[in-house]
Amino acid sequence: DIQMTQSPSSLSASVGDRVTITCRASQSISTYLNWYQQKPGKAPKFLIYAASSLQSGVPSRFSGSGSGTDFTLTISSLQPEDFATYYCQQSYSTPYTFGQGTKLEIK
Amino acid sequence: EVQLLESGGGLVQPGGSLRLSCAASGFTFSSYAMSWVRLSPGKGLEWVSAISGDGDSTYYADSVKGRFTISRDNSKNTLYLQMNSLRAEDTAVYSCATWIQLWGRFDYWGQGTLVTVSS
Repeated sequence: DIQMTQSPSSLSASVGDRVTITCRASQSISTYLNWYQQKPGKAPKFLIYAASSLQSGVPSRFSGSGSGTDFTLTISSLQPEDFATYYCQQSYSTPYTFGQGTKLEIK
Repeated sequence: EVQLLESGGGLVQPGGSLRLSCAASGFTFSSYAMSWVRLSPGKGLEWVSAISGDGDSTYYADSVKGRFTISRDNSKNTLYLQMNSLRAEDTAVYSCATWIQLWGRFDYWGQGTLVTVSS
């Protein structure tokens, strides 16, 4: 199975900050990388697919980049509604696997 | 608006069984492949199973193969997960999600139903 490792596991930031979350795959996955946001008690929300393509309706302050084994999710200017847990997921091969999550908290 | 509503979770003893349901609305259910994904404190998010839109093709994680069965009733817009021989490590919140096979992504998710396996 392909292992996905996110860093950091948690992150404290302020409204307006620029934040970057990293996701690393244990082998090359081309650009088969997706990102999700989850808030407590809510359904996960799909944000980005194919490493850098924004899902319809997702604010443009979210962006993704990377290919091969190293990927990043960047939020250019944090908004109050962005504080949540973020997960990456590889879709290069089954079983699909997720990163362990990055909890973004208010500083 | 796409809505996915899971039900059927609860407390079950090790070795027991549960059947989860996912009622879908707001889209043409039969046109979408579907999947189950679970979230547990120890393991994080874990893909469990998936099924094609017509129900002919099914896929399972090794951790549940032979114990869980995914199915769907397109006439009722409902997805199912039959879980047998449950183990403590199956304890998690189980969510259903639409599965875009081409990109292997999960576009819409339900909030999930909690399954607790404990004596």
